Amino acid sequence: DAGVTQSPTHLIKTRGQQVTLRCSPKSGHDTVSWYQQALGQGPQFIFQYYEEEERQRGNFPDRFSGHQFPNYSSELNVNALLLGDSALYLCASSRQGANEKLFFGSGTQLSVL
Amino acid sequence: GESVGLHLPTLSVQEGDNSIINCAYSNSASDYFIWYKQESGKGPQFIIDIRSNMDKRQGQRVTVLLNKTVKHLSLQIAATQPGDSAVYFCAETNDYKLSFGAGTTVTVRA
Repeated sequence: DAGVTQSPTHLIKTRGQQVTLRCSPKSGHDTVSWYQQALGQGPQFIFQYYEEEERQRGNFPDRFSGHQFPNYSSELNVNALLLGDSALYLCASSRQGANEKLFFGSGTQLSVL
Repeated sequence: GESVGLHLPTLSVQEGDNSIINCAYSNSASDYFIWYKQESGKGPQFIIDIRSNMDKRQGQRVTVLLNKTVKHLSLQIAATQPGDSAVYFCAETNDYKLSFGAGTTVTVRA
């Protein structure tokens, strides 16, 4: 039973560039949530996708966007990267739009230079 | 600001002793709480959860206590092992997202 998988594991970009991160949910899960974790901090909610729609969004600018595909996998896109976007980006999956028992992937470490 | 916080950023424990990690939350409407463990280079790993209609829940070597009167949550780890060294987060939700505290780093001394 595959858990939540994310790619790539590490990424280095420069300011102003755009980045796409990918996530495949745990088998049997249909909901994907994205979190940003700065160094030494707890994860912060970005948004949640369920039934291919963005259902909820945290306090993040429109530079952060996403998509969910029919197979429940998801992408997180960040445009016009800033130095402050450097963080670990975590994908979490669950069932039916729930926030209970979220299973997290290992994350993508994004460094913006 | 964050609605969930931990009392201590670090905790050093002797191997074999019991660990207690504390967490205070401010949103009285929160109805579901979770403890996660995060090891270096990995994502948060689910440990145990508890609903607001419960005071205590036990798992394997772990117990979560919820005191709604003072809005306090704790995680107890019995017979702490070296593999328990990690950052522990409490999280709460009453809607669509989890709100995490900053975490407590637990170090197990041999």
